Amino acid sequence: QKEVEQNSGPLSVPEGAIASLNCTYSDRVSQSFFWYRQYSGKSPELIMSIYSNGDKEDGRFTAQLNKASQYVSLLIRDSQPSDSATYLCAVNSQGGSEKLVFGKGTKLTVNP
Amino acid sequence: GAVVSQHPSWVICKSGTSVKIECRSLDFQATTMFWYRQFPKQSLMLMATSNEGSKATYEQGVEKDKFLINHASLTLSTLTVTSAHPEDSSFYICSGRRTQETQYFGPGTRLLVL
Repeated sequence: QKEVEQNSGPLSVPEGAIASLNCTYSDRVSQSFFWYRQYSGKSPELIMSIYSNGDKEDGRFTAQLNKASQYVSLLIRDSQPSDSATYLCAVNSQGGSEKLVFGKGTKLTVNP
Repeated sequence: GAVVSQHPSWVICKSGTSVKIECRSLDFQATTMFWYRQFPKQSLMLMATSNEGSKATYEQGVEKDKFLINHASLTLSTLTVTSAHPEDSSFYICSGRRTQETQYFGPGTRLLVL
């Protein structure tokens, strides 16, 4: 069974710090990886997608992918209280499927 | 960007009635749409994959006769919860697939069955 694992948290960081969110996945042939942010009571919002090993930066967000270790992470620099949300890691389920497999999410709290 | 809308955003109904939820991709064509359900403090659960012009593919444990999905066009998919009961009360979210495997989510529909 294909699985995506995340620490449920809560992860608490002070404002201005770097928040580091981690995710591991079990399907070695997965090719596409996504980070979504979900505010309480709202639907998920796409933050980043990453397909190749290494880092991908977009503003204050950096996604890191290591396929050999089956590990993907999201770094949030200069964390703001508005970043407080649950962050969902999602991995494309291969084998011709179009489905994404989601982790259970990590709840991040940024304290002012 | 890629915008997906859902209607209604909130619905309250009596037990035994049917409820239809619409999901529209506003600025792109979504050959594939997905329907998820999320209970409070729990993760997203995929219910079904909907492809335009064909029957939906349901996940294990999801009753296809209870959750009717129609994907009649490249921009519209509907989910009908038939004979809704209180245990069907949940947050229903659709998503549209735009490119590769990227999914963009609608704002969700909160269903409360009394």
